[in-house]
Amino acid sequence: DVKVTQSSRYLVKRTGEKVFLECVQDMDHENMFWYRQDPGLGLRLIYFSYDVKMKEKGDIPEGYSVSREKKERFSLILESASTNQTSMYLCASRGLVPNEQFFGPGTRLTVL
Amino acid sequence: GQSLEQPSEVTAVEGAIVQINCTYQTSGFYGLSWYQQHDGGAPTFLSYNALDGLEETGRFSSFLSRSDSYGYLLLQELQMKDSASYFCAVRDQSAPGNTGKLIFGQGTTLQVKP
Repeated sequence: DVKVTQSSRYLVKRTGEKVFLECVQDMDHENMFWYRQDPGLGLRLIYFSYDVKMKEKGDIPEGYSVSREKKERFSLILESASTNQTSMYLCASRGLVPNEQFFGPGTRLTVL
Repeated sequence: GQSLEQPSEVTAVEGAIVQINCTYQTSGFYGLSWYQQHDGGAPTFLSYNALDGLEETGRFSSFLSRSDSYGYLLLQELQMKDSASYFCAVRDQSAPGNTGKLIFGQGTTLQVKP
C-alpha cells in the first residue's frame, strides 16, 4: 500500500514563526502536491513538484515556499506564519491511475 | 476557465440509494474522478471515468457523459459509514502535461440518517 506521511497531525505556532511541514511518500512517485483545505473553500493547491528540485506554483502560493531535495520528501515552508494561514494542510503524491492522488493524514496548523 | 459544480449537501437514509452530481467545464478533458473524505480524515481516491457509461465497484458506481460534461457518483445500500464529503476532480488543462495536477469541486457533504 502507498503510504504518505506527514510530520505532525496538529501544530500550534505563533505569528511570525518559520514553520516547516514535512511530507514523505514511499512509492517512488515523481509528482507531489501541497494543498490547504478550509471550510467552504474545498482543496486549494499551494505548490506542486514533478521532480527533485523542480517546483511549480499552484493557485495560492503567496506566503509559502517548498523544497524537494529528495524524491520521497516534499516540504512546505511558511516563511513567517500569519493567522490567516491557520488551516488543514494536506500533502499528496500522484499514483499510476489517471487522476489518482494519495493523500497524507493532514496537518492541522493553528497560528496564534 | 475551468470549473466543477456539485451540490453542497445531500441527505439520505440508511439503505437508500443516493446520486451525487458533478458538472464540469474544461478546455480539454481527460477523465473525471471521485474522492471520499471522512470528517477529519484524508481524501481517498474512489474512481476514474475516461469513457462514457457506468463503472461499478461494489456499492459505489460512477457515471460519465462527455457530451453533457456531466458525471455522477452513485452510492447504493447506504450505510452510516458513507457519511462523508465527496469531491469530483478533473485534470487541470493549464498545467504541464504530465504533472497530474487536479482541479477539485467544492465537495458534497453526504449525511446518512438512520
